[in-house]
Amino acid sequence: DIQMTQSPSSLSASVGDRVTITCRASQSISSYLNWYQQKPGKAPKLLIYAASSLQSGVPSRFSGSGSGTDFTLTISSLQPEDFATYYCQQSYSTLLFTFGPGTKVDIK
Amino acid sequence: QVQLVQSGAEVKKPGASVKVSCKASGYTFTSYDINWVRQATGQGLEWMGWMNPNSGNTGYAQKFQGRVTMTRNTSISTAYMELSSLRSEDTAVYYCARGRRLYQPPDYYYYYMDVWGKGTTVTVSS
Repeated sequence: DIQMTQSPSSLSASVGDRVTITCRASQSISSYLNWYQQKPGKAPKLLIYAASSLQSGVPSRFSGSGSGTDFTLTISSLQPEDFATYYCQQSYSTLLFTFGPGTKVDIK
Repeated sequence: QVQLVQSGAEVKKPGASVKVSCKASGYTFTSYDINWVRQATGQGLEWMGWMNPNSGNTGYAQKFQGRVTMTRNTSISTAYMELSSLRSEDTAVYYCARGRRLYQPPDYYYYYMDVWGKGTTVTVSS
C-alpha cells in the first residue's frame, strides 16, 4: 500500500502569512494527488486535484505543486476562514486510496 | 444543486451491523462513483471503499474486506454502506463522497472526491 505523510502535523500562523504544507508518498504517484480542507464538525472540501488543478470555486490563494513523491500545498495569504485541517490523498493506486494524517493550521 | 444527503445518527451494540444511506440529487447518480470515508473523533480521514452505481462494482480497503458491503438502489439514487461485526473502534463519523474521474489519454485518469455528504455518526457501545 502507498503510505502518505504530511509535515508539519500542525502549525500556527497569522492572517496574511504565506503557509506551506508538505505531503510525501512512499512511492512515486506521478501527479495523482489531491488536497482537502476540513473545518471542525464539517465534511472535507476538495481544494486541489491532480496535484495542481484548482477546484472550481476555491480561492486562488490556494495552490498545489509537485510530482513523484513530494507535493506542496501553499496558501499565499492566510485568511481567517483558512484555519482548518488539511489532508492530502493519493489516487495513484487504482481505486485504493489513502489519505495523509493531516496538518492542522491554527491561529498564532 | 448537487448534494449527497446521509441518514441520521445510529447507536449500535458491539457485534451488530449498521447500514448508512447516501441519497444523491442534482446530478445523474449512475455517472459517478460513491466513496465512503470515515473519521473517528479527533482522528484523520480513512478511506473505506468505492462503488460504481452504474455497474454495482465495488472495491474495498483491505482493512474492511469481509466486513463492509456497498450497494445501491438506482431507482431512488441512493447508495448504502453496511458495516458488520461492529466494535467500539468503529465509532466514527461516516461520510459518502462522489468520486469524479478526469480522463487523461490514452488510458489514465485522475480521481478525486468533489462532493461530500455531511456525515453520519455511528456510535458502537454496549
